[in-house]
Order: sequence, then structure tokens, then C-alpha cells
Amino acid sequence: EVYLEESGGGLVQPGRSLRLSCAASGFTFDDFGMHWVRQVPGKGLEWVAGISWDGDSVGYADSVKGRFTISRDNAKNSLYLQMASLSIKDTAVYYCAKDLKTQWQVARPDSWGQGTLVTVSS
Amino acid sequence: QAVVTQEPSLTVSPGGTVTLTCGSSTGPVTSNHYARWFQQKPGQAPTTLIYDTRNKRSWTPARFSGSLVGGKAALTLSGAQPEDEADYYCLLSYVAAPVFGGGTKLTVL
Repeated sequence: EVYLEESGGGLVQPGRSLRLSCAASGFTFDDFGMHWVRQVPGKGLEWVAGISWDGDSVGYADSVKGRFTISRDNAKNSLYLQMASLSIKDTAVYYCAKDLKTQWQVARPDSWGQGTLVTVSS
Repeated sequence: QAVVTQEPSLTVSPGGTVTLTCGSSTGPVTSNHYARWFQQKPGQAPTTLIYDTRNKRSWTPARFSGSLVGGKAALTLSGAQPEDEADYYCLLSYVAAPVFGGGTKLTVL
């Protein structure tokens, strides 16, 4: 059974950085692309970033481009999201999601973690 | 960035049929948008129902189906059950990045 567990969320001040992690188990991690998707409480879903199975290809939403960096460590079955220059608009639950295939571009989130809440506030 | 539109809310009677749609600001939705559909219940993470317009996951109830209708992606629920009350989101692919719709709140009443 696929299991994804996000961690690293919390309260952070505007302008600061934060790193999210996603621990994966129950599948061959380096066979699949991965994504980060966020959701402002009470609002809709927003695709944030995606990464290919080998980490060679990444993509970002315009809203986070230049500030967020997605990466993975296949040896540790882990996905990361390094977030910098955080603003109040980045406050959201951040979900880690496994893609159905090796790449991220089409974005077929297949299985989801339970999410970690990031609150940006002074 | 493209805008993906969904009905904000819909209501269906138990046992009834309802169709949710997903449109694109760039023009008709086609198979090249690889429409995906997700269900999200309060306090829970989303679950994937449909990918590539009409393909179901192993856990997708048979009463859900995906299609293209009138230039939009569509999710049809036939024989609604009380447990189908949830938010539904579509996701479309574009050259730059995938984009979610705003979601449809489905009430079974």
C-alpha cells in the first residue's frame, strides 16, 4: 500500500524559509514522478511543483517559481520542497502526491499524503 | 496562466444522475488536456477518481465516469449515494504547467 507522510510544516515569519519533506513507502519510489499540491484552508487545490522519477526534470507554478525548489533523494525514498521568501499567500496545507507515471508534466497525482500545514505570519 | 472553470455547487438527489464539467479559458478541452478528477471530503486529502479523461483507478466506484462533452471535460455520477457528497476538482494539463479548477461542491439531498 502506498504511504506518503509529509513533515516540516509549522509557523514561519514572512520572508523566512522552510523545508518540507515527504517520506514515501509501499512502492518503488524511483519509478514515479512526484508532486507538491497546496490548499489554502477552505479553498481549492493548487499545483505547486513536480519532479521526474530521476530528478532531472522539474516544473513549478508561476506563483512559486524562483522561490520554491523541489527535489528528491531516491536512496532515502524522500521528496522535498525548499520554500524561500515566504509570504502570507503561501499559507496552506501542502500535500505530497505520487504520479501515475515517471514524469511530472502531465501531472497524474495518483496517491496523496495527508498534508502538512504551513502558516506564514508575523 | 490558463483558468479552469467548474460549477461552484451542484445538488443531486439520492439515486440520481449529475454531470460536473471542467472548462478551459484557452478553448475546448480535448484529450490532450488529459483531464483528471479528484474527490475531497471534509478534513481529508483528495483521492483520484479519473485520469486521462475517462480512465478509472481501481478504487473508483463504477457509478463515476469521465468524458468530453461540449468542449469540456465531464464527470458523471450515476446513482448518487450519500457518501458521494464532497468537493470535486478537475485538473488539466497545459504546456507551462497543470492547472486545477476551482472545485464543485456536490450536495446529495
